[in-house]
Amino acid sequence: DTAVSQTPKYLVTQMGNDKSIKCEQNLGHDTMYWYKQDSKKFLKIMFSYNNKELIINETVPNRFSPKSPDKAHLNLHINSLELGDSAVYFCASSQGRPSYGYTFGSGTRLTVV
Amino acid sequence: GQQLNQSPQSMFIQEGEDVSMNCTSSSIFNTWLWYKQDPGEGPVLLIALYKAGELTSNGRLTAQFGITRKDSFLNISASIPSDVGIYFCAGNRDDKIIFGKGTRLHILP
Repeated sequence: DTAVSQTPKYLVTQMGNDKSIKCEQNLGHDTMYWYKQDSKKFLKIMFSYNNKELIINETVPNRFSPKSPDKAHLNLHINSLELGDSAVYFCASSQGRPSYGYTFGSGTRLTVV
Repeated sequence: GQQLNQSPQSMFIQEGEDVSMNCTSSSIFNTWLWYKQDPGEGPVLLIALYKAGELTSNGRLTAQFGITRKDSFLNISASIPSDVGIYFCAGNRDDKIIFGKGTRLHILP
């Protein structure tokens, strides 16, 4: 069973479109995250939710909006996609403090053309 | 802001060689974590370190939490082909995780 699953794995879309990436974890963790990995493989946190409550919101364009319907799901909606949004987006989860380590999903490669 | 300097950026080694990489920061961290990322996958936690001076092993991997709390290193002994990938260090302070830029490990045929 996949612990943190993201869909879709690949997403190719045109500039200006709106798209969503879904994430689900079956680990019973109480905190979920979205990370962006750029072409140089640098990982940067975007958002963090604890029990459906937003606790970290880094400097991310407001075109990006996370939504957590329950503590097992954290979706990422992106409006008006731009070329610079092309990256791999990772969902992750942790139980309790993030210092215990994250479990990452396998990523969604977003390509904006 | 806080930054982690991870080195080397890339390593090209022969199978069977030992590998060493490190992470340094100008800030103190409470926890150091080491992850490995295989192509097309998300990072996977290898080792977590919680106390200054702590030395922890996971199979052929050994990591240490520096005494100053500003650095950590990861060693891999007797490398094998499946060790290829990107290794990330991550430091935690006040429940905020900062990732290093990764060390890309290549094994020459």
